[in-house]
This record gives sequence, structure tokens and C-alpha cells, in this order.
Amino acid sequence: EVQLVESGGGLVRPGGSLRLSCTVSGFTFNAWMIWVRQAPGKGLEWVGRIKTKSEGETTDYAAPVMGRFTISRDDSENTLYLQMNSLKTDDTGLYYCVLLAHGEDHWGQGSLVTVSS
Amino acid sequence: DIVMTQTPLSSPVTLGQPASISCRSSQSLEHTNGDTSLSWLQQRPGQPPRLLIYKISKRFSGVPDRFSGSGAGTEFTLRISRVETEDVGIYYCMQTAQSPYTFGQGTKLEIK
Repeated sequence: EVQLVESGGGLVRPGGSLRLSCTVSGFTFNAWMIWVRQAPGKGLEWVGRIKTKSEGETTDYAAPVMGRFTISRDDSENTLYLQMNSLKTDDTGLYYCVLLAHGEDHWGQGSLVTVSS
Repeated sequence: DIVMTQTPLSSPVTLGQPASISCRSSQSLEHTNGDTSLSWLQQRPGQPPRLLIYKISKRFSGVPDRFSGSGAGTEFTLRISRVETEDVGIYYCMQTAQSPYTFGQGTKLEIK
């Protein structure tokens, strides 16, 4: 069974930083991975993507997070990361990691990030 | 960016009756290899999104066959042949043809 487990969420002040992790089991980690977020009561928003190690771990990001968020991966640990800096109140929400498997995508359960003073 | 537009945004349905949700993309989602990167997700209340349909019409593992997807190019449809109580939630279409990946606004399915 494929499992994606996010961790690292919590309460942080505006301007602060947080790092989310997503550990994958039951599936080869050699796949593109993305982060998706959902503000309270709102729809889904793509945050960014990282390609495989053989593709140079190329990343790209949504405009609202570009320059503040960084996606990385550690294939030896089957773990995906999202480093979030200069956090804003608008960044509050549930953050999901998603493993892209040629359409047969697998979603995590989400990690809650609350940015508030 | 590719804009995904869903209709309707709310769909009250009688139990046992069919339901249909449309999704339109602002550009074609078809790859040069012939695949089309259009998926449908279900989000039940208080739950994370769950993949239902990928590549327009392929049902993900464990998804009941009352769910089906169709379409081509820029017009897509999710159909539920007979709505059950457990189908209540919000449905999203999603494109992964081009970065930034984008989602429809979501369609809330509720029981009349």
C-alpha cells in the first residue's frame, strides 16, 4: 500500500519559517512530487513541483510562493521537503504532498500550517 | 496559466439518481504522446483529496464503477451513475499537462 505521511506543520508568526516533510512508503520514490495547499474553506492550489534526481531535481513554483518556498528531496530517505520562509498569513492552510505516477497520483493526509501573530 | 472552469459549482442530487460535472480547460491538455493529463478528485468533508479518475477516463484503484470520466481536448465530464450518500463532498478537476498545475474551483455535491 502506498503511503505519504506529512509532518512538520504548526503555528508560526508572520515572517517566520517552517519545514514540512513527506515520507513515502510502498512505492518507488523515483517520481515527480508536488505540494498542494488548501486554505481554510477554499479550493486546492498547486505550490510547486520537483522532478527526479536523474532530471536534475528541477523545481518550479507557483507565483505566490516563488522566492520564499523551496522544495527538495532526499531519495535515500524517500522524503520530500518544503522549506517555507518569510511566511504570510495567506500561507495558512493544509499542505498536501502528492506523488505523480503517470496519472495514478497518490495524495498524503496533509499537514496544517497556521501563520498568525 | 491554464484556467480550469467547472460547472455547476453546486449540485443537489436525489439519492440513486445520476450526477454530472463539467470541466473546461483554457488550452488543450493533450500531450504529443496522445495522453491527456486531466484528473478528477473527490474530497469528502474533513478528508484529504482522493484521486478518482486520471487521463480523462481511467478509474483509479478501488474507485467504484459508478464513477466515469469522458471528454477530449478542452471539455471533460465526470459522471456518477447513481449517487450514494458516501459521494457527498467536493469534486475537483485538475490538469497536470503544463506547469503551473491548476484546479477547477470545485463542485459541491449534496443530497436533496
